[in-house]
Amino acid sequence: TQLLEQSPQFLSIQEGENLTVYCNSSSVFSSLQWYRQEPGEGPVLLVTVVTGGEVKKLKRLTFQFGDARKDSSLHITAAQPGDTGLYLCAGAPGTASKLTFGTGTRLQVTL
Amino acid sequence: NAGVMQNPRHLVRRRGQEARLRCSPMKGHSHVYWYRQLPEEGLKFMVYLQKENIIDESGMPKERFSAEFPKEGPSILRIQQVVRGDSAAYFCASSPRGPIYEQYFGPGTRLTVT
Repeated sequence: TQLLEQSPQFLSIQEGENLTVYCNSSSVFSSLQWYRQEPGEGPVLLVTVVTGGEVKKLKRLTFQFGDARKDSSLHITAAQPGDTGLYLCAGAPGTASKLTFGTGTRLQVTL
Repeated sequence: NAGVMQNPRHLVRRRGQEARLRCSPMKGHSHVYWYRQLPEEGLKFMVYLQKENIIDESGMPKERFSAEFPKEGPSILRIQQVVRGDSAAYFCASSPRGPIYEQYFGPGTRLTVT
């Protein structure tokens, strides 16, 4: 059983399109993090969301934490080829003492 | 400020040999984590260490795998008598705070067992 389910698993879009990636759980998280991993590299931290309902923007990326702190979304506006990669959400549910990573969304942006 | 460093980046071992993977955390970070990633899969937690202490090794296989983070020097993940199923990317991460907060990853070591 996956604590953090991401959808979609794969996404292939053309440059300029918008997209949303979802990270869902039945557990409550004190915070959620989003990472991007490019082929052959380690994950890079993009953002941390802490407060239920919080929205954070990072250039063309918008991150939202659900009101109940059980889910999060990542919206990319006008995707570019440089956005290509594996997007991972991560968090520690309840009183857990370590991070759990989501199943990942693999994004391909083509010209 | 240098990021998390891992070496080697690529490691090839024959079945039965030992693999030693090294990780130097970011300056000022005292919490180190090791993860394994199989092709087309997510990150799986293996072990969490602080200087000279293993805090949580619940994700580590019971046999052949060990980890340490000595007072001086890098953290080491050691795999003895490697088997083909050990082939994977191994990532180290570090953090300034505890394990439920932001972690900063190294570039990984890709282990291939032939």
